Amino acid sequence: GNSVTQMEGPVTLSEEAFLTINCTYTATGYPSLFWYVQYPGEGLQLLLKATKADDKGSNKGFEATYRKETTSFHLEKGSVQVSDSAVYFCIQGAQKLVFGQGTRLTINP
Amino acid sequence: EAQVTQNPRYLITVTGKKLTVTCSQNMNHEYMSWYRQDPGLGLRQIYYSMNVEVTDKGDVPEGYKVSRKEKRNFPLILESPSPNQTSLYFCASTSGPSSYNEQFFGPGTRLTVL
Repeated sequence: GNSVTQMEGPVTLSEEAFLTINCTYTATGYPSLFWYVQYPGEGLQLLLKATKADDKGSNKGFEATYRKETTSFHLEKGSVQVSDSAVYFCIQGAQKLVFGQGTRLTINP
Repeated sequence: EAQVTQNPRYLITVTGKKLTVTCSQNMNHEYMSWYRQDPGLGLRQIYYSMNVEVTDKGDVPEGYKVSRKEKRNFPLILESPSPNQTSLYFCASTSGPSSYNEQFFGPGTRLTVL
């Protein structure tokens, strides 16, 4: 069946470091792919999405490219800030949503 | 402001005492869902609804009920809560099929069943 595997956390970085959170998926067909972010005490919010192969989603300095050949949708940011500390979910959307387990990111000043 | 609201935000109860968690959205969305979030397991869908009076089971429906009598509301009912239902619960709504459309999540309800 469909699944999403995310890089295990927690991830701790210093401010201005480069961020990569890996996400790979298995699917029949070509699902849409999403990154959602969950700040402390809040619900999940859409960060970015891509609906077909080679699409790049971007928002707030974050980027992810839908790679069909490697079945991946890795999240990247060139220079993280303390305010980026949150839990990040990679999600596959087919007939229903399939969630990764989440990656907790902490950015230290 | 477009939003999904849940009440209560925190609830401590005892085994067997019926409870309802309310969910309401102001975006006129047709699709609504309930999820539970547990450490190491991510989010799992409990029930979903595609429209008024149309509901179906998600991945972990046991011990839960839902109803959709109005488009904006989608309450989650635990008829006889048990400790294994201690979890963080999220309601979500969306305008169309989940494959393409953004989901809007409520702030969560942290439930503890003693």
